Amino acid sequence: DAGVTQSPTHLIKTRGQQVTLRCSPKSGHDTVSWYQQALGQGPQFIFQYYEEEERQRGNFPDRFSGHQFPNYSSELNVNALLLGDSALYLCASSLFQRNTEAFFGQGTRLTVV
Amino acid sequence: DAKTTQPPSMDCAEGRAANLPCNHSTISGNEYVYWYRQIHSQGPQYIIHGLKNNETNEMASLIITEDRKSSTLILPHATLRDTAVYYCIVTGSARQLTFGSGTQLTVLP
Repeated sequence: DAGVTQSPTHLIKTRGQQVTLRCSPKSGHDTVSWYQQALGQGPQFIFQYYEEEERQRGNFPDRFSGHQFPNYSSELNVNALLLGDSALYLCASSLFQRNTEAFFGQGTRLTVV
Repeated sequence: DAKTTQPPSMDCAEGRAANLPCNHSTISGNEYVYWYRQIHSQGPQYIIHGLKNNETNEMASLIITEDRKSSTLILPHATLRDTAVYYCIVTGSARQLTFGSGTQLTVLP
């Protein structure tokens, strides 16, 4: 049973560019949440997707957007990249209807130069 | 979500029990206590969670006080691989986790 998988593992982009990160949830999970973790800090919640809709959103600008597909996989898009967007981006999957644990992927390390 | 307070760092000798405390005095009745850990540059790893009863799994035990205002995560026989940042999170939903600064646990040989 594959856990949460994220791709790519590392990415380097230039300021102003756009980036798409991908996440496949753990088998049987229907909810995907995205987090940003800057160096030396704890992960910060970006948003959560369930039934292909954004259900909750943290304090992030509209440059951050997402999508969930019918197979529950998800994408995180960031437009007009800033140097401050450099971080580890984490995806977590869970079950929407049950208050069980969320499982994290290994993350995508984004560097903006 | 209720705020949590954890010591910034702790040391533990290899083979001994590691007891990590967490205060959450403003926890509400429908909020769970979750513990995650993160080894450098890896994704957070789920450890255990509970509502009001003590819980145990293959990784750890979670002791929640009767008033639910504090809890302790116990790693019964710490190894060097348990060195990580441990996060105590109080939330009504694991779909949206609020991470604090956590406790850096260092297991010493």
